[in-house]
Amino acid sequence: GQQVMQIPQYQHVQEGEDFTTYCNSSTTLSNIQWYKQRPGGHPVFLIQLVKSGEVKKQKRLTFQFGEAKKNSSLHITATQTTDVGTYFCACGAAGNKLTFGGGTRVLVKP
Amino acid sequence: NAGVTQTPKFQVLKTGQSMTLQCAQDMNHEYMSWYRQDPGMGLRLIHYSVGAGITDQGEVPNGYNVSRSTTEDFPLRLLSAAPSQTSVYFCASSYSGRGLNEQYFGPGTRLTVT
Repeated sequence: GQQVMQIPQYQHVQEGEDFTTYCNSSTTLSNIQWYKQRPGGHPVFLIQLVKSGEVKKQKRLTFQFGEAKKNSSLHITATQTTDVGTYFCACGAAGNKLTFGGGTRVLVKP
Repeated sequence: NAGVTQTPKFQVLKTGQSMTLQCAQDMNHEYMSWYRQDPGMGLRLIHYSVGAGITDQGEVPNGYNVSRSTTEDFPLRLLSAAPSQTSVYFCASSYSGRGLNEQYFGPGTRLTVT
């Protein structure tokens, strides 16, 4: 089945700084979803990307799907303490079967 | 709407015991799934269902059974608990529309097997 790898595994960010987390696949993906999980919480859907080269923004979050549809990125500008959590990418198959990446755990230093 | 609900929130089992994790959704979603999340790791699909009466295996199905007798409920049964099944279990549901759809997750059940 499809697999997605996320880097980095951990991201320590100074409050106010920007960072990017990446999601990579060895195969072409039909779609990619991003979820955020706060510590002790459950995953919450952020966005879905479907088209090659697609870019979507949600306030300080920018999501991109690669031209070859083999990678995706999440860029956060001006990091805040509310951004703490683990960000997962996931690719889907028929029946909404999701394969999740290992996640990037984000820690914010005030 | 309550969304996706899971019970219990916490459970401790002894090796060899069986139990059922409950999951219910009130959004009339056709698709439902069970995932497990081990410490510091991503989620792995255990079983999923595309509608009442239809279930299929995911990535890590061994030691678990599911059934889907109604659209609302999707219980997960542990047949004979093992320490390797210590994990956080999440149930999720989604619409069955064209393409991939947003998954709504329940709050999770934290299971410890001793």
